[in-house]
Amino acid sequence: EPEVTQTPSHQVTQMGQEVILRCVPISNHLYFYWYRQILGQKVEFLVSFYNNEISEKSEIFDDQFSVERPDGSNFTLKIRSTKLEDSAMYFCASNRGGNEQFFGPGTRLTVL
Amino acid sequence: GQQLNQSPQSMFIQEGEDVSMNCTSSSIFNTWLWYKQDPGEGPVLLIALYKAGELTSNGRLTAQFGITRKDSFLNISASIPSDVGIYFCAGTTSGTYKYIFGTGTRLKVLA
Repeated sequence: EPEVTQTPSHQVTQMGQEVILRCVPISNHLYFYWYRQILGQKVEFLVSFYNNEISEKSEIFDDQFSVERPDGSNFTLKIRSTKLEDSAMYFCASNRGGNEQFFGPGTRLTVL
Repeated sequence: GQQLNQSPQSMFIQEGEDVSMNCTSSSIFNTWLWYKQDPGEGPVLLIALYKAGELTSNGRLTAQFGITRKDSFLNISASIPSDVGIYFCAGTTSGTYKYIFGTGTRLKVLA
């Protein structure tokens, strides 16, 4: 069964450094999403992406964040200058449209 | 902003017991979904509900989309140890595909 994959599984970085989190959505999916989950809290929407552009973003997704689909398979989330409060699990999700989103296993980002 | 409140926050049950949890909002949602999350992993879709009043089953799981479109419940029958995890409801509203997630119900099953 096809799955969303994410790399790395764990990323440790120094405050102020740039990080890129990578996702490979399910191959025939058209809509892509990033969510984050601070430890012990609920999952929060960051951004949705369709047809090579952002379709919706939350107030969390400020100028420090950007997304890109650099080729036909990858979908990336870049944080330009990480802050301590960016430490969280970051989940990529995808679907073909409609409402059943399939989530990846997540990347645990630790900012020191 | 829109919020989904889940209750109970956590529950301990004996293996074999039935479980019921719910999700409520002050806003109307068009779609309700239930996910299970194991520690250190991503949410896994259990059930999706699309119409008010809809009752859907997936094995031992049953979920319903409330008539008012402001709530949903999830039942698990005859719980087993692998049911342990955090159960999240999520919803979408008109004109958006973004999910609003609930606060989660942490389930522990005692063998």
